[in-house]
Amino acid sequence: SYELTQPPSVSVSPGQTARITCSGDALPKQYAYWYQQKPGQAPVLVIYKDSERPSGIPERFSGSSSGTTVTLTISGVQAEDEADYYCQSADSSGTYQNVVFGGGTKLTVL
Amino acid sequence: EVQLVESGGGLVKPGGSLRLSCAASGFTFSSYSMNWVRQAPGKGLEWVSSISSSSSYIYYADSVKGRFTISRDNAKNSLYLQMNSLRAEDTAVYYCARDIRDGSSGEYYFDYWGQGTLVTVSS
Repeated sequence: SYELTQPPSVSVSPGQTARITCSGDALPKQYAYWYQQKPGQAPVLVIYKDSERPSGIPERFSGSSSGTTVTLTISGVQAEDEADYYCQSADSSGTYQNVVFGGGTKLTVL
Repeated sequence: EVQLVESGGGLVKPGGSLRLSCAASGFTFSSYSMNWVRQAPGKGLEWVSSISSSSSYIYYADSVKGRFTISRDNAKNSLYLQMNSLRAEDTAVYYCARDIRDGSSGEYYFDYWGQGTLVTVSS
């Protein structure tokens, strides 16, 4: 089955830039989506269609895509950005489109 | 304001059954496909099942196919998940999530999530 690969953890100091990657063979053909999940809370969509930001999401969150890797960038990281981040894309290897999530990346703000 | 409120979770023995519900408000429920996504304790997200707006199209993850049944009642703005033959590995927080679909590609993603309901399968 199709897999998306994320680093288990990323650490940055406040004010620095955090970059979280997600790799998958089908990403050149499929969009990627990113969710933020804080402890005990439901996931929140922060990026859709590789680089679009939903209303209400701070401008410091951005997304990009290059080949088989997509990247979530958080510029000027704040303490409140400490969370788990999950990428999501489509798995079209079967008879219909399915959803696949990456394993998640824990962002630690030092 | 879009709201999704899950209920029905609890402790159940292996082999048992449970029915989850999700009450939706703040949007035209009958116009959207809906999903169940779960998260085992300390683990990542796993898509479980989806149902189209009119219940015409229903899909399941291989891990639950044949054991779980998704359904909806548009008159009651409600989504359901009937879970049978439960296993220890089904222990998770179950989230109800609204999806947004790209009509041409068929891709979809989740723009609103409920707070989740915990299902624990243990003897």
